[in-house]
Amino acid sequence: EAQVTQNPRYLITVTGKKLTVTCSQNMNHEYMSWYRQDPGLGLRQIYYSMNVEVTDKGDVPEGYKVSRKEKRNFPLILESPSPNQTSLYFCASTSRGEGGYTFGSGTRLTVV
Amino acid sequence: AQTVTQSQPEMSVQEAETVTLSCTYDTSENNYYLFWYKQPPSRQMILVIRQEAYKQQNATENRFSVNFQKAAKSFSLKISDSQLGDTAMYFCAFGKGSSNTGKLIFGQGTTLQVKP
Repeated sequence: EAQVTQNPRYLITVTGKKLTVTCSQNMNHEYMSWYRQDPGLGLRQIYYSMNVEVTDKGDVPEGYKVSRKEKRNFPLILESPSPNQTSLYFCASTSRGEGGYTFGSGTRLTVV
Repeated sequence: AQTVTQSQPEMSVQEAETVTLSCTYDTSENNYYLFWYKQPPSRQMILVIRQEAYKQQNATENRFSVNFQKAAKSFSLKISDSQLGDTAMYFCAFGKGSSNTGKLIFGQGTTLQVKP
């Protein structure tokens, strides 16, 4: 089944403890993105990748890192999480000719 | 910078009736895509419909159709014969460029409740 897989689905962590949210797609898509969803703000792009080793900042990149060493994987790294990063996170991927982005199931992150 | 506005935070409709969700956007681009995504309580983001800006014909997918007014920068979603499974949050999104691979700018979302 064609899909974008995010892990974990839920995560509660403490301020300052480094964490990684994984994202993997099995559709050979070149383009991958991370978004965060907050009430009243919709989804906002954190980082974007056009292909292996090619990434670019989105609208809210502060406090986040990404890497794209393999085409299928695009992990999101929070080096020192803070409470204002409590949010619902989505990974998404697409390719030219696709109807639109395919989203993962989301990761609910709580930083206390 | 592009912006997307959904002015209706919440809406409700009776089962089997028709409802229209509004979306306006601001851009100076000529080539772009517009999307409606559905987010049910499971929180999965599901693509409902998309429209290429260069196409004058409004997109249709079964019970879902759009009214794309390029000059007015308006992109509303009409749901006909509403079903209980249509209960969800709906997001309008703008994608810059001549392909569908760029950054998406999302509106704030409209929560739709379909009542039996």
